[in-house]
Amino acid sequence: GAVVSQHPSRVICKSGTSVKIECRSLDFQATTMFWYRQFPKKSLMLMATSNEGSKATYEQGVEKDKFLINHASLTLSTLTVTSAHPEDSSFYICSARGAGQQNQPQHFGDGTRLSIL
Amino acid sequence: GEDVEQSLFLSVREGDSSVINCTYTDSSSTYLYWYKQEPGAGLQLLTYIFSNMDMKQDQRLTVLLNKKDKHLSLRIADTQTGDSAIYFCAENGGYQKVTFGTGTKLQVIP
Repeated sequence: GAVVSQHPSRVICKSGTSVKIECRSLDFQATTMFWYRQFPKKSLMLMATSNEGSKATYEQGVEKDKFLINHASLTLSTLTVTSAHPEDSSFYICSARGAGQQNQPQHFGDGTRLSIL
Repeated sequence: GEDVEQSLFLSVREGDSSVINCTYTDSSSTYLYWYKQEPGAGLQLLTYIFSNMDMKQDQRLTVLLNKKDKHLSLRIADTQTGDSAIYFCAENGGYQKVTFGTGTKLQVIP
């Protein structure tokens, strides 16, 4: 089945640091990737939708300058949390979907737990 | 906007059946999904159903869809301790966007 790899699985860093999270589709070409944020005991909140080769579409209330998304290839999307602060601490999950699969399930990575001290 | 609701918690005894319920508001939903999330992990797709189906069965899992009432359920037969997790229903009503429910935490008592 389709596999999505997310790296790193856990990050602990100091306030003010920028953190990059990678999301890779291992056995299919992901024309669309999604980035979610999950607060403790809460559902997934869609942050942005990223299409290969074009700018990401951010959901309302998500700062695009704070959460930089790059989807430069069909197998890789990155989320960079710039100048991270403790309130950015959260569980970030990516998912991916291939071409022509708009109604097919998204395939999820295992998530990245980000802790800002 | 779209809204997907689930009860927050369900506790069952090992060997019993679990039924997790979900309601949604988007009548244009084409696919509805059930995902499982174990602590500290991402989401694992369990099963999904197309909106023109009423039921889908896959081993211990049975999905029932009442499109008129916009109600989706997941039944897990012979629930095991390894089934303890959070279960999310989700609906795909638009071109790309999937809306997730609030999640139901299933606790299986040995």
